Parts: sequence; structure tokens; C-alpha cells
Amino acid sequence: SAVISQKPSRDICQRGTSLTIQCQVDSQVTMMFWYRQQPGQSLTLIATANQGSEATYESGFVIDKFPISRPNLTFSTLTVSNMSPEDSSIYLCSVRYDGNTQYFGPGTRLTVL
Amino acid sequence: EDKVVQSPLSLVVHEGDTVTLNCSYEVTNFRSLLWYKQEKKAPTFLFMLTSSGIEKKSGRLSSILDKKELFSILNITATQTGDSAIYLCVLSLTDSWGKLQFGAGTQVVVTP
Repeated sequence: SAVISQKPSRDICQRGTSLTIQCQVDSQVTMMFWYRQQPGQSLTLIATANQGSEATYESGFVIDKFPISRPNLTFSTLTVSNMSPEDSSIYLCSVRYDGNTQYFGPGTRLTVL
Repeated sequence: EDKVVQSPLSLVVHEGDTVTLNCSYEVTNFRSLLWYKQEKKAPTFLFMLTSSGIEKKSGRLSSILDKKELFSILNITATQTGDSAIYLCVLSLTDSWGKLQFGAGTQVVVTP
């Protein structure tokens, strides 16, 4: 299985500011994904991040709000821009590694005041 | 819309009990069915099921898939307080990268 780390693990931010979350994988993977989990909800896919191409966003998510970088096959960042309290969530990166299994990073718990 | 329905939504059991978690789905074409355990933040992988009728086991946990009746179950025997978590049933769909369809999860609380 892949070992995935995320930074920061948690943060408390003021509304109107931006936060960049980093995701590092211990091996090269083609596809990385960013998910959001709002309180009491299941996971929702934000976007798919492939190295060398622009991220593909799901319905309801836009690049201006959630810009993503994927500079190489082991690293990605997700920025939550111009935050509001509604952005308070757990943000998770994941990778598809061996076959059909997806592994998740430890998550970033974001609270926006 | 594809649906993955988990039941019950939550349950409370005593240590030592056996629990059975259910997952029914309406998708007929998928790559695999996955079970995850989510404690604080990140879901951790438990099982991947691709074939009908073949039980997967890992310690006190086991799972099986029935593609004819469109459901899967996750069993936990001799439960411990460390089994308290949300258990997610997830389908890996057959699009180009296996997009995931999540169930809402079953919250299990194991009391001493």
C-alpha cells in the first residue's frame, strides 16, 4: 500500500484567507484525488489531479476556489481560497495504487472562523 | 443516480458482540466493492471484493459480495472498543479511473 502524508493536519483560519494543503506520497502514482468531508457527511470528490495536465473538477467545484497543483508524480497541493465558515471540513488526498484500491491520506481538518 | 445504501446508519453494541453491516447498491457495472474503516479523519482500507461468493477475512473481520442480489456484508466478531468507527461501503465504478461511489456509512459504537 502507499504511504501518504498531508500537511497541515489541522488549521484554524480566518474567513477571507487561503490555505494550501500538501499531499506527499512515498511512490510515484499517476492519479491523485482530493476529497472533502463536511461534518456528518460522507466524502465528496473535489477534483482529480494528474501530473502534467490540469486538474479535472467535479460538479460544484471550480478552479478559482480550489486551485490544485501537481508538479510531479509524488506530490500535490490543494488551496482553499477566500475561505468562509462553509469551507470547514476535512480535506483528504488519495491515490489509486494497486489495481482498484484507493488509499487515503491522514486528512487535514480545517476550521474557518 | 448510482446509489450505495448502508444499513443500519448506526448501532451500539457491547464488547464481545458480533455485528453485521449491510451494503446494498443499484450499480450493476462496477470494478470492485471496497470497505473502509474511518475513525478520526482518514478512511483506512479493509477489503476489496470483486467476485461474488468469495469471503475475504482479516482477523475478526470478514466480508462477502453477492452480485446477484446486489449487496455486501461486513462482519465483525468478538467486537472490541477499538472497532468503534464509521464503516464505509464504496463502489469503484467502471469509468476510466474507477470513480468512487460512497455509501453514507454505518457508525459502530462498541461499549465496554
